[in-house]
Amino acid sequence: QKEVEQNSGPLSVPEGAIASLNCTYSDRGSQSFFWYRQYSGKSPELIMFIYSNGDKEDGRFTAQLNKASQYVSLLIRDSQPSDSATYLCAVGGQNFVFGPGTRLSVLP
Amino acid sequence: DTAVSQTPKYLVTQMGNDKSIKCEQNLGHDTMYWYKQDSKKFLKIMFSYNNKELIINETVPNRFSPKSPDKAHLNLHINSLELGDSAVYFCASSLGPDVLYEQYFGPGTRLTVT
Repeated sequence: QKEVEQNSGPLSVPEGAIASLNCTYSDRGSQSFFWYRQYSGKSPELIMFIYSNGDKEDGRFTAQLNKASQYVSLLIRDSQPSDSATYLCAVGGQNFVFGPGTRLSVLP
Repeated sequence: DTAVSQTPKYLVTQMGNDKSIKCEQNLGHDTMYWYKQDSKKFLKIMFSYNNKELIINETVPNRFSPKSPDKAHLNLHINSLELGDSAVYFCASSLGPDVLYEQYFGPGTRLTVT
């Protein structure tokens, strides 16, 4: 059974800093990886997906994938208080598996 | 336009009752899902339908029965509700069941069983 692990946090960073969120997964054959943001009381919202080893950038967000280490990360540059949310890592497939999420708090 | 919608948004009911949650997507997607997010915020898949056919059926009590009348709709019926069923239920959809497709979530239905 696929497992996805994340530090539950909370991860606190000052405004303007880089927030680094990490995720590991158990199934070495996994091919697709997704980062979702979930504000309290709201639904998960897709931020980025990544399929290939290396970095993928989209605005202030960078996803990093290392399949050899079974490791995915999300970097948020110039963090803003509005980035304060729970970030969910998910491994794709017919059976999407989500990690428990990391709560990020960006302090003004 | 709302891409994935769910009704109702809130549902408060007593133990033993039967209730339904409805989901609709206007994205033209073939695959729809039901997830349960419990009080610890863990998001777990329950069911998945591809083009009206059940393709994922996780270990869920058989009091839960999904139905997909067409590929744009996926409903969830729950019989004999229990206290432990209290959670937020999310519907989601994707282009297809392929491993590379992302999923888009509805706003959720908060079910409270008293």
